[in-house]
Amino acid sequence: QITLKESGPTLVKPTQTLTLTCTFSGFSLSSSGVGVGWLRQPPGKALEWLALIYWDDDKRYSPSLKSRLAITKDTSKNQVVLTMTNMDPVDTATYYCAHGVSPIAVAGFDYWGQGTLVTVSS
Amino acid sequence: SYELTQPPSVSVSPGQTASITCSGDKVGDKYVCWYQRKAGQSPVVVIYHDNKRPSGIPERFSGSNSGSTATLTISGTQAMDEADYFCQAWDSTTEGVFGGGTKLTVL
Repeated sequence: QITLKESGPTLVKPTQTLTLTCTFSGFSLSSSGVGVGWLRQPPGKALEWLALIYWDDDKRYSPSLKSRLAITKDTSKNQVVLTMTNMDPVDTATYYCAHGVSPIAVAGFDYWGQGTLVTVSS
Repeated sequence: SYELTQPPSVSVSPGQTASITCSGDKVGDKYVCWYQRKAGQSPVVVIYHDNKRPSGIPERFSGSNSGSTATLTISGTQAMDEADYFCQAWDSTTEGVFGGGTKLTVL
């Protein structure tokens, strides 16, 4: 059974760096074809894809946010970490991590975490 | 930047067919997924690779993608299908852009 769970701060101040951790079970990020992505949904707005990391450490980023994002994996801990710099109130959203199998562009994200709400406010 | 446009809302009567469109420049050249998000729940992929249905997704869900429009069709819509639906298109330039979402109401 594949499960994912996001963790991190619920409140960050503007200009701070957000660090979110996705802890998963039921699969290995060292298995060929496996990927984990981060997505978000601001209140009342659309989903937005942020970043993606594959088993071979191939990393992809949303073009519009690429300069602010970094995604890494710790295979031994079954974790994927997303950092987002220079947080702004418009970054207030529910952040999700999700599992997929390469090519995720074709297959989509088939398992999602429950999401974690991050509020950016001073 | 690339944009996908969905109607904000679609209403359908139980048992009828609901069609949700996703429009974008040459979206037919990209891979499209459709996600269902019910209130208080995480998204679920209901269609991938334009028209493929994951295991466990009812046969009443189908998809198509050609030209500038991708379409999610729900045949024999049920009350349990009431949710927000998002399309997502991928290619090497747009990566994983989402549409704005469509609220499906089953009246």
